[in-house]
Amino acid sequence: QVQLVQSGGGLVRPGGSLRVSCAASGFKFRDHYMTWVRQAPGKGLEWVAQISDGGGQADYADSVRGRVTISRDNAKNSLYLQLDNVRVDDTAIYYCARLKEPGATPSDYWGQGTLVTVSA
Amino acid sequence: SYVLTQAPSVSVAPGETARITCGGDDIETKSVNWYQQKPGQAPVLVIYYDSDRPSGIPERFSGSNSGNTATLTISGVEAGDEAHYYCQVWHSGSDHWVFGGGTELTVL
Repeated sequence: QVQLVQSGGGLVRPGGSLRVSCAASGFKFRDHYMTWVRQAPGKGLEWVAQISDGGGQADYADSVRGRVTISRDNAKNSLYLQLDNVRVDDTAIYYCARLKEPGATPSDYWGQGTLVTVSA
Repeated sequence: SYVLTQAPSVSVAPGETARITCGGDDIETKSVNWYQQKPGQAPVLVIYYDSDRPSGIPERFSGSNSGNTATLTISGVEAGDEAHYYCQVWHSGSDHWVFGGGTELTVL
């Protein structure tokens, strides 16, 4: 069955860096676009970034562009989100998700989420 | 940027029909997805491409999209349907996904 298992996250100081990972199994990872969505405490869902199946195309939300990098290693069936120069308002649960089909299609499977806390 | 507007909360009695709306400029020209999120859990896709239902989602869940409003309809609401519901579209003008602010469904 499709599984997305997240790791990483934790406490990071403002201005610091952190990487969140997402290990995929149960499907052909290299055939699917992937995305990251975050949720600040008590708030709604916010799209963060998306990457194409081959990794050659990435799109970012305006709120994170220039500070966040989405990447993938299809040989390792893994997705990554690198957060640099983090701010307090980056504090959130970060979810990875699989897009159902190539392109702008819905997220049909989600990871369990990982908490990133930015605090001095 | 493209904005999706949802009412913060909707309340219905068990067995009744809940209608959760998502407003956006000419939203009928976009494909709308709906997600259900229960406390402490990851979101779950319940409706995609306006009205398609993933396998495993009860037929009680349906969707429509017309004009400036998309609607998620839950018929015969059950206590287990209590959750936050989010609409989502792809805004091709900026190559961004956009989520609505979410609607909390309360079953009285």
